[in-house]
Amino acid sequence: ETGVTQSPTHLIKTRGQQVTLRCSSQSGHNTVSWYQQALGQGPQFIFQYYREEENGRGNFPPRFSGLQFPNYSSELNVNALELDDSALYLCASSLIAGGPGIGELFFGEGSRLTVL
Amino acid sequence: AQSVTQLDSQVPVFEEAPVELRCNYSSSVSVYLFWYVQYPNQGLQLLLKYLSGSTLVKGINGFEAEFNKSQTSFHLRKPSVHISDTAEYFCAVTWDSNYQLIWGAGTKLIIKP
Repeated sequence: ETGVTQSPTHLIKTRGQQVTLRCSSQSGHNTVSWYQQALGQGPQFIFQYYREEENGRGNFPPRFSGLQFPNYSSELNVNALELDDSALYLCASSLIAGGPGIGELFFGEGSRLTVL
Repeated sequence: AQSVTQLDSQVPVFEEAPVELRCNYSSSVSVYLFWYVQYPNQGLQLLLKYLSGSTLVKGINGFEAEFNKSQTSFHLRKPSVHISDTAEYFCAVTWDSNYQLIWGAGTKLIIKP
């Protein structure tokens, strides 16, 4: 079984630009969560997608948006980039059977975004 | 608001010595608790979790943790550490079925030879 893969692994953008990060979930998983991990901090929950719909959102502005596709892969889009958006963005997939619930998260290695 | 506190940013310990990494959370409701490990340049991997039942939870790589509801703690322990345990360890908590994890800031475990 393939694990969670994220792309790109590293990227550099300038303030005001837009970025799209991609995540392929682990085979058989139906839920994707996105986290932001700033340097020296723990991850912060951005949002979760379950069966192609947003299923919970953390304290992030609307310029952070996402998509989940029928194959359960996902994208994180960030518009109007700010310097503070520089961070490691982590994608995690899980299998939630019968509706939202507790499932083990499987993480990718992350996409490191630098905003200049 | 829910929060997780990892009291030590770094814990140096000699190889083959025991270690305890501390985690406290603030919550007035029932919680589910997790420890994840992040090896250098890798993603996060689940070490162990407490959902219900026995308060002593055993995980991978010889780690265990004890849920203490009265002290709102979930400390991670290992009786004998190895060089390969060098990593950053994160405690996380969730209280709802939407599985939004709240994370601590992490503790770097430094193994001294």
